[in-house]
Amino acid sequence: QKEVEQDPGPLSVPEGAIVSLNCTYSNSAFQYFMWYRQYSRKGPELLMYTYSSGNKEDGRFTAQVDKSSKYISLFIRDSQPSDSATYLCAMDAGGTSYGKLTFGQGTILTVHP
Amino acid sequence: EAQVTQNPRYLITVTGKKLTVTCSQNMNHEYMSWYRQDPGLGLRQIYYSMNVEVTDKGDVPEGYKVSRKEKRNFPLILESPSPNQTSLYFCASRWDRDPTQPQHFGDGTRLSIL
Repeated sequence: QKEVEQDPGPLSVPEGAIVSLNCTYSNSAFQYFMWYRQYSRKGPELLMYTYSSGNKEDGRFTAQVDKSSKYISLFIRDSQPSDSATYLCAMDAGGTSYGKLTFGQGTILTVHP
Repeated sequence: EAQVTQNPRYLITVTGKKLTVTCSQNMNHEYMSWYRQDPGLGLRQIYYSMNVEVTDKGDVPEGYKVSRKEKRNFPLILESPSPNQTSLYFCASRWDRDPTQPQHFGDGTRLSIL
């Protein structure tokens, strides 16, 4: 079983829809949770991060972490065609593994006009 | 402009022929990593370096070597490439070990080993 599982999609939604992207994980030591966005033929870029449980909002993006369920989500409100990309979750356990990210497989999202 | 530069962007080569993928960053970052990205497997870390002359294995180091003689450069060496190393490779850097620091990625190197 992979430490981090992410539905690869692909996910196709109309412009303006609310998008929900999710990851589950098995390592209860994970405490830093990141979302990266990767456009086609480009490297990933950090979108948001959260520490431990809770919510974080940044414009149209909201990240949620539920450590009790080992489940994290990224919500995109009022989705735009420019949001079309692959979204990867990443996690870090801290401690002796501090700085070492474990990535999910990525979810391909297409927002069509 | 802050950037991570990888070369080459594309390479087709044959089994056993040594190759080096270069990586350079202009942000004075301490932490650098190499990843490979494969369908269904996501990004997996090959090696990382926390500073000059300090390198360590990631999750999939077999068949690869790295060196960090200067802060800005972190080349990836395949001494004897094999077809299972066909993949998309990314070099990345960030300020330090803090995982919440933005990690800057290069645009990738697509390697095909025949």
